[in-house]
Amino acid sequence: NAGVTQTPKFRILKIGQSMTLQCTQDMNHNYMYWYRQDPGMGLKLIYYSVGAGITDKGEVPNGYNVSRSTTEDFPLRLELAAPSQTSVYFCASSYWLPRSTDTQYFGPGTRLTVL
Amino acid sequence: RKEVEQDPGPFNVPEGATVAFNCTYSNSASQSFFWYRQDCRKEPKLLMSVYSSGNEDGRFTAQLNRASQYISLLIRDSKLSDSATYLCVVKGESTDSWGKLQFGAGTQVVVTP
Repeated sequence: NAGVTQTPKFRILKIGQSMTLQCTQDMNHNYMYWYRQDPGMGLKLIYYSVGAGITDKGEVPNGYNVSRSTTEDFPLRLELAAPSQTSVYFCASSYWLPRSTDTQYFGPGTRLTVL
Repeated sequence: RKEVEQDPGPFNVPEGATVAFNCTYSNSASQSFFWYRQDCRKEPKLLMSVYSSGNEDGRFTAQLNRASQYISLLIRDSKLSDSATYLCVVKGESTDSWGKLQFGAGTQVVVTP
């Protein structure tokens, strides 16, 4: 199993450009998440999904959109990139059941710079 | 006030020594607690869950103090490979319910030869 994969690993965008960060998991997990990690800060939840076709906002959703058409894929769309979106983006997945540890497995991250 | 606060460190530890550090959380209703490990420029990985009575996993011991709202991690016989940032993670709900995780900014540990 590859686990959680993310592409691209690095990207530089100009202000106002758009892009999609790809995330795929092959563990048949029901939950998927997008986080951003800024220097000196904890991970912040952008969006999450509890299953195909269902998404919901996290703490910092502004400027982002997501979709979950399949169990495996959870792309994150940035529209009109701004310097404040410069960050490291992590996708994660977990298989949640009641009374489970609900371990989240993270992808390797995408380092995004907006200039 | 941050929901989960950690001393950023770094904690510089000689190889073989013991290091311990805490994390405080603001939501007294928090039910589930974890330590994740994050190596430099890598993704976070679950190190261990923290149980009410405290628990060990090899050289790692985690404790929970609900009254003072903090959790701790102790690393015994430190190895060079323990050098990493340790993220304190808190969830408001019990394991019976799904809930979002709240991440601390991490405590950096550097183990020196």
